[in-house]
Amino acid sequence: KQEVTQIPAALSVPEGENLVLNCSFTDSAIYNLQWFRQDPGKGLTSLLLIQSSQREQTSGRLNASLDKSSGRSTLYIAASQPGDSATYLCAVPNSGGGADGLTFGKGTHLIIQP
Amino acid sequence: DGGITQSPKYLFRKEGQNVTLSCEQNLNHDAMYWYRQDPGQGLRLIYYSQIVNDFQKGDIAEGYSVSREKKESFPLTVTSAQKNPTAFYLCASSNWGSGNQPQHFGDGTRLSIL
Repeated sequence: KQEVTQIPAALSVPEGENLVLNCSFTDSAIYNLQWFRQDPGKGLTSLLLIQSSQREQTSGRLNASLDKSSGRSTLYIAASQPGDSATYLCAVPNSGGGADGLTFGKGTHLIIQP
Repeated sequence: DGGITQSPKYLFRKEGQNVTLSCEQNLNHDAMYWYRQDPGQGLRLIYYSQIVNDFQKGDIAEGYSVSREKKESFPLTVTSAQKNPTAFYLCASSNWGSGNQPQHFGDGTRLSIL
């Protein structure tokens, strides 16, 4: 059964720093990997979906990389801002394209200090 | 705007009572999902439905029931058999049949015990 781990569990950095969040998964036969953001008391917002055939996916200041063979993905946030403070979750499909749901990591709680 | 609507935002359950959480989507997605989120445990899959009038159990289906009579709607009933129902419940949908498609989430329902 797929397991997803996120490190670190929490991170606090000053505004303006570049930072990296890590996600690892045990079964490398994934179809894609998705990064989400969750604000307190809210649902999840999809940030990036990176397909198994891709190495990287970018959206604004966010860049996600995927190394299937090593079972790892990273989310790089450039020039962090206080508005980036949130919990970041990664998830992989239970099978195929995700028709039968996702397996999530426990998230990284990020605080950007003004 | 297209999206997923969950209601109510907060719900309280008395001992021995069944309660139903609503989830409606206007994204024309085939698949819908229910997840439970507990502090420190990440999201876990309760039930999912890939098509109208069909649904499958996820990892923690005991004490829950669902129906999928319409494409837009996927209500979740928390029965009295669920002994620890206090959690944040998230509904999601996706258009998985079109390949690599992200899951979209509602804003959640927080269920507490009176």
